[in-house]
Amino acid sequence: DAGVIQSPRHEVTEMGQEVTLRCKPISGHDYLFWYRQTMMRGLELLIYFNNNVPIDDSGMPEDRFSAKMPNASFSTLKIQPSEPRDSAVYFCASSFGQGAGEKLFFGSGTQLSVL
Amino acid sequence: DQQVKQNSPSLSVQEGRISILNCDYTNSMFDYFLWYKKYPAEGPTFLISISSIKDKNEDGRFTVFLNKSAKHLSLHIVPSQPGDSAVYFCAASAARSSARQLTFGSGTQLTVLP
Repeated sequence: DAGVIQSPRHEVTEMGQEVTLRCKPISGHDYLFWYRQTMMRGLELLIYFNNNVPIDDSGMPEDRFSAKMPNASFSTLKIQPSEPRDSAVYFCASSFGQGAGEKLFFGSGTQLSVL
Repeated sequence: DQQVKQNSPSLSVQEGRISILNCDYTNSMFDYFLWYKKYPAEGPTFLISISSIKDKNEDGRFTVFLNKSAKHLSLHIVPSQPGDSAVYFCAASAARSSARQLTFGSGTQLTVLP
């Protein structure tokens, strides 16, 4: 299994531009999570999906952020327009099954730099 | 308000010695705790977990201790190896939360010196 695949690995863009981050979860996993890592706040949950349906997006910082999961094997996180304070590492993770604390499988992340 | 706190941003330990990483939490509803390890340019990977019905869980060189009354858990690595050098994240979740909403600490950078 290739694990969770994220693209691009690095993204450098200018303020005001649209940014789209992509994620392919592990096949068969029914939960998908988007996290953001910053020095100040550590790893914070932005949104998660169950069976392609968004369940909780309370962590999404602003309306500039949106996420979709059109099918079981693909998700996107979009920032429009981007701002310098959005610079962070964005992780996608997936997992399978019910219950609290089920271990997550993370992708390698997308390092986003907004100039 | 950080519900999961790792107050030590970094820790250096000599190879062969014990590494002890600490984590405190404030939410009494948390009942499942995990440690993740993260190498540079990689995503975090699951290391070890513990349910609140236990006070200790061991897996090879890694042991997690849970003190519910103090709302404190720790990860012990014995003996420490240079390959253990990584950022360690403590995470917690509550059984009633709608599926695995893990709350992470800010991480501790462990450096094991050869």
